Amino acid sequence: DAGVTQSPTHLIKTRGQQVTLRCSPKSGHDTVSWYQQALGQGPQFIFQYYEEEERQRGNFPDRFSGHQFPNYSSELNVNALLLGDSALYLCASSNPQTRYTRDTQYFGPGTRLTVL
Amino acid sequence: AQSVTQPDIHITVSEGASLELRCNYSYGATPYLFWYVQSPGQGLQLLLKYFSGDTLVQGIKGFEAEFKRSQSSFNLRKPSVHWSDAAEYFCAVGAYSGGGADGLTFGKGTHLIIQP
Repeated sequence: DAGVTQSPTHLIKTRGQQVTLRCSPKSGHDTVSWYQQALGQGPQFIFQYYEEEERQRGNFPDRFSGHQFPNYSSELNVNALLLGDSALYLCASSNPQTRYTRDTQYFGPGTRLTVL
Repeated sequence: AQSVTQPDIHITVSEGASLELRCNYSYGATPYLFWYVQSPGQGLQLLLKYFSGDTLVQGIKGFEAEFKRSQSSFNLRKPSVHWSDAAEYFCAVGAYSGGGADGLTFGKGTHLIIQP
């Protein structure tokens, strides 16, 4: 059973550019969350997608946007990159078996983004 | 809004000694709580979780954690550490809004060093 996968592993961009990161959830999971982890910090919640819609959003500017596809995979897009966007971007998937079940998020290995 | 405090940035423990990592949370309702471990350059691996019921929860790799509502704490323990336990440990709290798991709020992490 494949876990959460992310691509690419590493990425180097320059300020002002745009980037797209990809995530495939764990088999059977339909909800994808994205987190940003700066060096030496804990992950910070960016947003969550469920049924191809953004269900919840953390305190991030609208330069950060996302998408979820019918097969539940997801993309994170960041526009107008800043030096401060350099971080490990983590994707997590979960599967609420019913609308009223608390569930667990399983994380992928992350994408390391460096902005020069 | 919820928050998590991990008071210890670094902890050094001798191999074979016992371990306790502290976690305090702030949340207005009954939280659900997690401990994750992260090895260098890796994603997050779930150690254990608390949703409800028994306040002492068992996890993988011999870890356990105790939920104490009166102290707003969820400390992680292990009776005897191994060199392979050296890693970054994150405590996280989650909310629940009826549509599934909300984004998690993480602490800043505790870096565990194992001395031979």
